Amino acid sequence: QSALTQPPSASGSPGQSVTISCTGTSSDVGAYNFVFWYQQHPAKAPKLMIYEVSQRPSGVPDRFSGSKSGNTASLTVSGLQAEDEADYYCSSYAGNNNYVFGTGTKVTVL
Amino acid sequence: EVQLVESGGGLVQPGGSLRLSCAASGFTFNSHWMHWVRQAPGEGLVWVSLINTDESITTYAGSVKGRFTISRDNAKNTLYLRMNSLRAEDTAVYYCARHLVGGIDYWGQGALVTVSS
Repeated sequence: QSALTQPPSASGSPGQSVTISCTGTSSDVGAYNFVFWYQQHPAKAPKLMIYEVSQRPSGVPDRFSGSKSGNTASLTVSGLQAEDEADYYCSSYAGNNNYVFGTGTKVTVL
Repeated sequence: EVQLVESGGGLVQPGGSLRLSCAASGFTFNSHWMHWVRQAPGEGLVWVSLINTDESITTYAGSVKGRFTISRDNAKNTLYLRMNSLRAEDTAVYYCARHLVGGIDYWGQGALVTVSS
């Protein structure tokens, strides 16, 4: 199972928006609405930000939103804040109780 | 509050074995499937293994299949990962994580495993 493809980096100024893509195949991202997004600050455990493509867990700001089209999912962070600077990873169910993560994107707040 | 606390990490020689444990609290452990995920130094997250509530379903990433074994003790609220025939490329922080349908909702803080002579 190959890792999902994410851009290595993305950036934006405070208040701006940044969108991160997550490209898979018709066997994972394209096949299931089980795309999750995680935020990871340095030396910290990942934190769930989006589940089932576009659902936000309780406590996650509505500045974070998710979507999917075909084999590509996206995470958008609107109104960027300094604390949003982190690594972001997508994951997808890949069938037969297997899972795959994205390559990760480092978001920098300029 | 959901808590997942890994232990058992450390330094091991290539070809050696290690068993990681993950103590769960704050939720009904025997009702949740569980994952192991790893992260090599400076690298991304990689899914390792999944187990269902009664151990009747276990799945593994291709890179660890046949060498790693996931198990659980519901009476002790503990998840395990037995790692055999360890290689340098298995060096990583290993996270225990709780399954939510289609992915993961809670993560432990991780345990560092270093494979080196």
